[in-house]
Amino acid sequence: QKEVEQNSGPLSVPEGAIASLNCTYSDRGSQSFFWYRQYSGKSPELIMFIYSNGDKEDGRFTAQLNKASQYVSLLIRDSQPSDSATYLCAVTYGGSQGNLIFGKGTKLSVKP
Amino acid sequence: KAGVTQTPRYLIKTRGQQVTLSCSPISGHRSVSWYQQTPGQGLQFLFEYFSETQRNKGNFPGRFSGRQFSNSRSEMNVSTLELGDSALYLCASSRAQGTDTQYFGPGTRLTVL
Repeated sequence: QKEVEQNSGPLSVPEGAIASLNCTYSDRGSQSFFWYRQYSGKSPELIMFIYSNGDKEDGRFTAQLNKASQYVSLLIRDSQPSDSATYLCAVTYGGSQGNLIFGKGTKLSVKP
Repeated sequence: KAGVTQTPRYLIKTRGQQVTLSCSPISGHRSVSWYQQTPGQGLQFLFEYFSETQRNKGNFPGRFSGRQFSNSRSEMNVSTLELGDSALYLCASSRAQGTDTQYFGPGTRLTVL
């Protein structure tokens, strides 16, 4: 069974704090990992992707991947109220011929 | 570059009817994937089309079908609608098939009464 697990939240952080979002996956063969942000009533928007173990930074966002632990996370530094959204973790299964499996998302609320 | 477009944006149907949804991918993208999103189940993969061929299929009944045209535009059809088919249907395009980075359209909100 292909699974991507996320804490549904809500995760509440004060403005300016670091928000930490976590995701675990079941298939050790997964190669690509994506984070999407979805505002209420809107479609998912790609934030970052990561393929290799370690950290990848893009502005206020840092994705972290640990394939041995089958764990991927997203850190949001200096959180803003506009970051309040549901964050979806997506993992590839089946190699290059496979598809994306999404977690159910973590709802983040950033309080002013 | 224009993003992924989906039509219609909203649709209301009754049980037993059928519906066709349309998706135009980003220019140059050849792969289109379809997803169903509901509050309880989250985003679930329906199928993927690449070069007019279905490459992958999720765990949905045969009432859900699709196709892709030579210009990469895709349509999704649901026959004999059930109340449980009410959902946001999202299409995502990517340059290559499978696990390339996917970009989502705005979705079609289907309500089945």
